Amino acid sequence: ETGVTQSPTHLIKTRGQQVTLRCSSQSGHNTVSWYQQALGQGPQFIFQYYREEENGRGNFPPRFSGLQFPNYSSELNVNALELDDSALYLCASSLDVITDTQYFGPGTRLTVL
Amino acid sequence: ILNVEQSPQSLHVQEGDSTNFTCSFPSSNFYALHWYRWETAKSPEALFVMTLNGDEKKKGRISATLNTKEGYSYLYIKGSQPEDSATYLCAFAQIQGAQKLVFGQGTRLTINP
Repeated sequence: ETGVTQSPTHLIKTRGQQVTLRCSSQSGHNTVSWYQQALGQGPQFIFQYYREEENGRGNFPPRFSGLQFPNYSSELNVNALELDDSALYLCASSLDVITDTQYFGPGTRLTVL
Repeated sequence: ILNVEQSPQSLHVQEGDSTNFTCSFPSSNFYALHWYRWETAKSPEALFVMTLNGDEKKKGRISATLNTKEGYSYLYIKGSQPEDSATYLCAFAQIQGAQKLVFGQGTRLTINP
């Protein structure tokens, strides 16, 4: 096991709603990255947080936002949910921002109806 | 748009046979290449992080090579076992924005007993 946990495991929301997904990193890991994996695709980078500041963002609209807390936990918030947001959301923590190994959580499966 | 391609998309191998698959990535501005193994219902597990052209890494029966000049990496599994059944993902990082990992779509490996 990687020591990275995510909650909830599964979630069903309706279009237009807002959702918060949570991740608990390995202790001591200053960096957390969030990914979206749609069916049949590889994970896509949403953004990364380093020491509570956003440190890079992928091609996702501003309605995807995040927070990182000093206790190694983090959140991914998605506003105004769309059907295409249905996916597996993964978080990954690492010691360093660049070439260090990323340790993934098991993911949250979000279904938007 | 960075493109990381993995081939084949799926592979069935007889137990005991050896196998390999490919990850292709842009050869310019290379920073790092990651390999992950992802078993169903588990978290993706880091296998290797490779940074130097000509790098070869080994972990048990699994090894990987890296050619940054031509933009490819091979993953080899020697003497496949049923527990090797998983999806194998590679992820590429460029020098600019090295924190943003770009994943391939994965190779789904099934070992037949």
